[in-house]
Amino acid sequence: EVQLVESGGGLVQPEGSLTLSCAASGFTFSSYTMNWVRQAPGKGLEWVAYISSSGSNIYYRDSLKGRFTISRDNAHNSLYLQMTSLRDEDTAVYYCAVPLTYSSGLDYWGQGTLVTVAS
Amino acid sequence: EIVLTQSPGTLSLSPGERATLSCRASQSVTSTYLDWYQQKPGQAPRLLIHGASSRATGIPDRFSGSGSGTDFTLTISRLEPEDFAVYYCQYFGSSPLYSFGPGTKLESK
Repeated sequence: EVQLVESGGGLVQPEGSLTLSCAASGFTFSSYTMNWVRQAPGKGLEWVAYISSSGSNIYYRDSLKGRFTISRDNAHNSLYLQMTSLRDEDTAVYYCAVPLTYSSGLDYWGQGTLVTVAS
Repeated sequence: EIVLTQSPGTLSLSPGERATLSCRASQSVTSTYLDWYQQKPGQAPRLLIHGASSRATGIPDRFSGSGSGTDFTLTISRLEPEDFAVYYCQYFGSSPLYSFGPGTKLESK
């Protein structure tokens, strides 16, 4: 069974930092691209970052470049998102998601981890 | 940059009725990379349709997708109580890499 389990969310002050993790199981993690997608409270979905299976190709939402860093550890089936200089508008549920079966559709998602940026 | 718009913002229908949700892209896109998701409160999104018209695994056949170019449609032929949710279209492969529409809320009348 495919499972994606996010962790690391919580309350952080503005300008603070946080690292999210996503533990993957049930598939060959090292063979698949991975993504972070976020959703602010009561708002829609917003793609954050993408990393290729080997980690050699990385893409970010333009507005987040320089503050967020996506990485992966294929030996430990884990995906990460380092977030720095956090702002109020970064408050959201952060999901990891994988296009496991199809060319683009994100068919497996974690349950999400809530990041709250507030003083 | 591909911008997706969805209409209507909210759709009020009754169980058993047909729902038609629209997604329009700011420029012509490749159908292969146009997908639809359903999201219920407190849950992660669920992939419904990939490649504009193919149902994802386990999705009931009352859900169908169509369209090409800039105009795409998600149709739910006969609404079941569990279909009331928010629906998003999404395009992969442009800038940003994944673009999501703002969503259509399908509510029970």
